[in-house]
Amino acid sequence: KNQVEQSPQSLIILEGKNCTLQCNYTVSPFSNLRWYKQDTGRGPVSLTIMTFSENTKSNGRYTATLDADTKQSSLHITASQLSDSASYICVVSGPDKIIFGKGTRLHILP
Amino acid sequence: NAGVMQNPRHLVRRRGQEARLRCSPMKGHSHVYWYRQLPEEGLKFMVYLQKENIIDESGMPKERFSAEFPKEGPSILRIQQVVRGDSAAYFCASSRQEHSTNEKLFFGSGTQLSVL
Repeated sequence: KNQVEQSPQSLIILEGKNCTLQCNYTVSPFSNLRWYKQDTGRGPVSLTIMTFSENTKSNGRYTATLDADTKQSSLHITASQLSDSASYICVVSGPDKIIFGKGTRLHILP
Repeated sequence: NAGVMQNPRHLVRRRGQEARLRCSPMKGHSHVYWYRQLPEEGLKFMVYLQKENIIDESGMPKERFSAEFPKEGPSILRIQQVVRGDSAAYFCASSRQEHSTNEKLFFGSGTQLSVL
């Protein structure tokens, strides 16, 4: 069954700290993996996209990694800011399917 | 270049009424996707359309739900005879090419449907 599992479900960290969010998937065949940020009451916004041959992609303070062999991805956030408080969604695409994870809810405390 | 525009932002309907949700994709985008999101749940794919064609409606409930993307005008997600379980946030996304390529997907701000 094609699934995308994210962990943790929620995370609370202090402003300025780093954190890492995890995504495991069983989607096959695989086309690409994306990370989205979704602010409360808004639509998701794309952060990174990686294909099978890419194992890391950065976007400012966001760095995503991909291990296509173990079917795992992580999103690392460096020097967190209050504006990073949001849900982070892992999305895995195949040729004819798009599977969304349930997201990790991140809270940044001042 | 305006982003993906959805309206209304909030829609309240009584049970049995019809709900019409509109989505105008980004300029130059001919691929539209509709998703439903329940509280504390991930986005669930509903339907994928190109201009005048439904490409994949595998996520659409078999009854009461329909979608269109006419040659002119916005894409419409229509829910007939709404029930309380239809209450959710409905998001529209668009892209220039099919999402399974490396094309970026742009989302609207969603329509929050509340059924009384």
